[in-house]
Amino acid sequence: DTEVTQTPKHLVMGMTNKKSLKCEQHMGHRAMYWYKQKAKKPPELMFVYSYEKLSINESVPSRFSPECPNSSLLNLHLHALQPEDSALYLCASSQERFGGPEAFFGQGTRLTVV
Amino acid sequence: GQNIDQPTEMTATEGAIVQINCTYQTSGFNGLFWYQQHAGEAPTFLSYNVLDGLEEKGRFSSFLSRSKGYSYLLLKELQMKDSASYLCAVRDRDAGKSTFGDGTTLTVKP
Repeated sequence: DTEVTQTPKHLVMGMTNKKSLKCEQHMGHRAMYWYKQKAKKPPELMFVYSYEKLSINESVPSRFSPECPNSSLLNLHLHALQPEDSALYLCASSQERFGGPEAFFGQGTRLTVV
Repeated sequence: GQNIDQPTEMTATEGAIVQINCTYQTSGFNGLFWYQQHAGEAPTFLSYNVLDGLEEKGRFSSFLSRSKGYSYLLLKELQMKDSASYLCAVRDRDAGKSTFGDGTTLTVKP
């Protein structure tokens, strides 16, 4: 199994809703990442988890709340989002934070905030 | 911090060879990655270089020179399906994270 699985694939939510994005990998990777990607732009790092502990928060607004329940799962909880938060949200995993290729991205969740 | 530069757009002909360059400046280099991304899809890993030299994988090769802060991705025997955005990403050892260049949009024409 060399996949990173993200659900849902598409999500439309209102500005007062609470929703969660989910990411799962079973490759034994110990580092997991959330990225945000706007159209025609490169992915922007949001959060990095290493051994289930939050290692990096790239000054992301608190309306985005990450969670790593175990070594295979990564969630991103969304609350009170703004229309400008509409984007493709990508999860990625790698063997370690400081070593090896950061090779695997999930297919992403396309989020639309209305 | 990191500064990564790659050309915005390139065009090439089916069957030809194309080289996409990437230059970078980083305080603590810990690997360079190339990804392919088709419109509306997630990035797909192509290659990883951490030592100087050429890594070959089928029709794709990637080269790294750490002293020059330079890498290129070489695509041979271009196919129409190679039309995509190609992203160069550099991992910073001190920060423990990767930064992406803005990507090069490659268009392959018949």
